Amino acid sequence: GQNIDQPTEMTATEGAIVQINCTYQTSGFNGLFWYQQHAGEAPTFLSYNVLDGLEEKGRFSSFLSRSKGYSYLLLKELQMKDSASYLCCGEDSNYQLIWGAGTKLIIKP
Amino acid sequence: IAGITQAPTSQILAAGRRMTLRCTQDMRHNAMYWYRQDLGLGLRLIHYSNTAGTTGKGEVPDGYSVSRANTDDFPLTLASAVPSQTSVYFCASSSGTGADTQYFGPGTRLTVL
Repeated sequence: GQNIDQPTEMTATEGAIVQINCTYQTSGFNGLFWYQQHAGEAPTFLSYNVLDGLEEKGRFSSFLSRSKGYSYLLLKELQMKDSASYLCCGEDSNYQLIWGAGTKLIIKP
Repeated sequence: IAGITQAPTSQILAAGRRMTLRCTQDMRHNAMYWYRQDLGLGLRLIHYSNTAGTTGKGEVPDGYSVSRANTDDFPLTLASAVPSQTSVYFCASSSGTGADTQYFGPGTRLTVL
């Protein structure tokens, strides 16, 4: 079956670094998305990884290992506004998206 | 209009009533999607449309229907609402070329009593 696993909740301190892990099982695999969703709002796109390795976008980076079925989202210099849910989403070979339940990130001062 | 809009923002509905959730995008995207989001669960695809005039069933289509008469609009209809359809509903669109980003509307919070 197809499945996305990510932690339900994480807590981190303002100014610190946090890594949100995601493992996936899909029918074939094209790539992996990360979305951010603030409470009561719509998900918004953060990153898309196709190739193995780390892609950096400012304070946010996303990593993919296709052989291990593993990805992580790395958030640096955490700010209070980073408090949100982070959704891991795998894209199978038919371009169908399989969504994880999301990781709620709580930032403490 | 800029992006993707949904209406209503929220609605309380009696069980058994018919309800249509509206979704409009102005990005000329080919593909559109309807999801429901429930606490503790990931986004679940209800129906999708790869292009105007075509629709397909997603993971949880029972009790819902859609139409895609034109590029911009993608309404979702609950023919006879039940309490288990209480959820937040998100409409999304993408260019439809594969491996492309989905853009989400603000959502409709629906409560069925």
